[in-house]
Amino acid sequence: RKEVEQDPGPFNVPEGATVAFNCTYSNSASQSFFWYRQDCRKEPKLLMSVYSSGNEDGRFTAQLNRASQYISLLIRDSKLSDSATYLCVVNLGSTGRRALTFGSGTRLQVQP
Amino acid sequence: DGGITQSPKYLFRKEGQNVTLSCEQNLNHDAMYWYRQDPGQGLRLIYYSQIVNDFQKGDIAEGYSVSREKKESFPLTVTSAQKNPTAFYLCASSTPREGGGELFFGEGSRLTVL
Repeated sequence: RKEVEQDPGPFNVPEGATVAFNCTYSNSASQSFFWYRQDCRKEPKLLMSVYSSGNEDGRFTAQLNRASQYISLLIRDSKLSDSATYLCVVNLGSTGRRALTFGSGTRLQVQP
Repeated sequence: DGGITQSPKYLFRKEGQNVTLSCEQNLNHDAMYWYRQDPGQGLRLIYYSQIVNDFQKGDIAEGYSVSREKKESFPLTVTSAQKNPTAFYLCASSTPREGGGELFFGEGSRLTVL
């Protein structure tokens, strides 16, 4: 089983649609959770951190479910510019290792 | 403007040659990282360094080497021992904190071995 697992997609949705991605992680001791966005052939950039209480940033909502060990990202009112790969990123809590582990990414294609 | 600079952006090498990828940051970050990305896959950690003159192996360190002689610089050498070196290499930095902090990435170096 992968340490951080995502549905690779692609998710093809029309403009204006609401789309949700899930990501599961293996280590219950994980401490930090993030969503990064990566455009084609570019570097990843932080989209948002994920907090235990859930958090929202405009059209984007991130949630954490520690009991089931997954995090989610909801995008409302999708725009063409949202087309990208969304990477789930987790610190798995390995002793002494302060490095983040990336999922393989979920590709989103928003269509006109 | 603060940021991370990777060079070169594109690199072609023959099999059996060592290559060194440069990574420089002026964000005053203590921690630096090298990741590798293959098509359709996530990033995999090669090496990381939390402080000058110290570094640790990541998940796929075999065939790679690094140094951290200055806070600003974390070069990666892809040696001839790396079996499949063609990939997109990403350098990142962060302010280390318990649980991991936000990573800031360079624009990446795309290595093709012919």
